[in-house]
Amino acid sequence: DTGVSQDPRHKITKRGQNVTFRCDPISEHNRLYWYRQTLGQGPEFLTYFQNEAQLEKSRLLSDRFSAERPKGSFSTLEIQRTEQGDSAMYLCASSRGQGNSPLHFGNGTRLTVT
Amino acid sequence: QKEVEQDPGPLSVPEGAIVSLNCTYSNSAFQYFMWYRQYSRKGPELLMYTYSSGNKEDGRFTAQVDKSSKYISLFIRDSQPSDSATYLCAISPGGSQGNLIFGKGTKLSVKP
Repeated sequence: DTGVSQDPRHKITKRGQNVTFRCDPISEHNRLYWYRQTLGQGPEFLTYFQNEAQLEKSRLLSDRFSAERPKGSFSTLEIQRTEQGDSAMYLCASSRGQGNSPLHFGNGTRLTVT
Repeated sequence: QKEVEQDPGPLSVPEGAIVSLNCTYSNSAFQYFMWYRQYSRKGPELLMYTYSSGNKEDGRFTAQVDKSSKYISLFIRDSQPSDSATYLCAISPGGSQGNLIFGKGTKLSVKP
């Protein structure tokens, strides 16, 4: 169990640019989740995958955001035309997807939009 | 009313103190209750996971759920400076458990 891995750890970008983050879940976990956390707040759910299928999306996930998990392993989260309000920590988590298995989080990607 | 309310603190206690952290929630349909610990610049780490009302103990940590009052608590006994972190309660409506709802987190500082 090597844990959930996220890359990059930090990303600074200018407003209007596109950014992409990667998440590698724990290998035997078939569920993968994306959350966003801003300073002083708890994580907010964005979306989750069961294998390669995206099963749930939050209303927070605007059309500038897209997530994929093409082979049911790693996932990418892309933000197009970034805005300053997108600055946050983007957290990935995974779980076994059996019953209500607990979520295991990575250390996140911190995005700063200037 | 927010679905999950948690006092953000900060909370400062001396080493060895008993710490009590609390959350309230609004929806009686919520079924699963978790506590996560988050150190600065790290992701949340699962501490406790409970389903039913009552207490669950793990070492120095005790999680308590009162479904009738919609109130959950985390107690830390013999607190240590290494316990200094932000503690997040998280609640799941059940089913898929995809949509965990987190409190704001309480920032705890344990002074040596």
